[in-house]
Amino acid sequence: ETGVTQSPTHLIKTRGQQVTLRCSSQSGHNTVSWYQQALGQGPQFIFQYYREEENGRGNFPPRFSGLQFPNYSSELNVNALELDDSALYLCASSLTAGGRSEFFGPGTRLTVL
Amino acid sequence: KQEVTQIPAALSVPEGENLVLNCSFTDSAIYNLQWFRQDPGKGLTSLLLIQSSQREQTSGRLNASLDKSSGRSTLYIAASQPGDSATYLCAGENSGGSNYKLTFGKGTLLTVNP
Repeated sequence: ETGVTQSPTHLIKTRGQQVTLRCSSQSGHNTVSWYQQALGQGPQFIFQYYREEENGRGNFPPRFSGLQFPNYSSELNVNALELDDSALYLCASSLTAGGRSEFFGPGTRLTVL
Repeated sequence: KQEVTQIPAALSVPEGENLVLNCSFTDSAIYNLQWFRQDPGKGLTSLLLIQSSQREQTSGRLNASLDKSSGRSTLYIAASQPGDSATYLCAGENSGGSNYKLTFGKGTLLTVNP
């Protein structure tokens, strides 16, 4: 059984650019959630995908979007990057969308200059 | 809207000491309460999960309690070790309709000195 993996590990972008972050969920998990963790803060819920459909969204603007693929891996896309988007982006997978324990990946550190 | 607060923000203790980390939440309709460990710049490792119907969970030197009526949870670490140094995060899981999401506190930065 493999754990949750994320790529890339680190990324540096400039303001206005677009970025795609990737996540492979744990084997057998059909639900993926994305979180943003700014320095010194707790993770903030961005959105969740369940069986390829968005299944809930936090307080993030539409320029944050996502996809989930048939193999349940997922992408987080951020358009028109802003300086405040600099953060650790965490992906978590769970067995179902119904309140099961989430397993987190190591995260992608995004720096926007 | 769920809000989670953790006290203290930072804690420094000598090796061997027993310690308690505190977490409070505003919405008692949580599905479960989780404690996570985060090492600098790394992802989250789940330590303990307490279902809403439970009062506590134990794993090794760790014991977590949940009191939904008062909106509080504590993480007790016995006989602390330098390897316990990390940020500890608590998170309440609530239903948002069709999905369940975690609401995190800002964490407690624990330093255990040899």
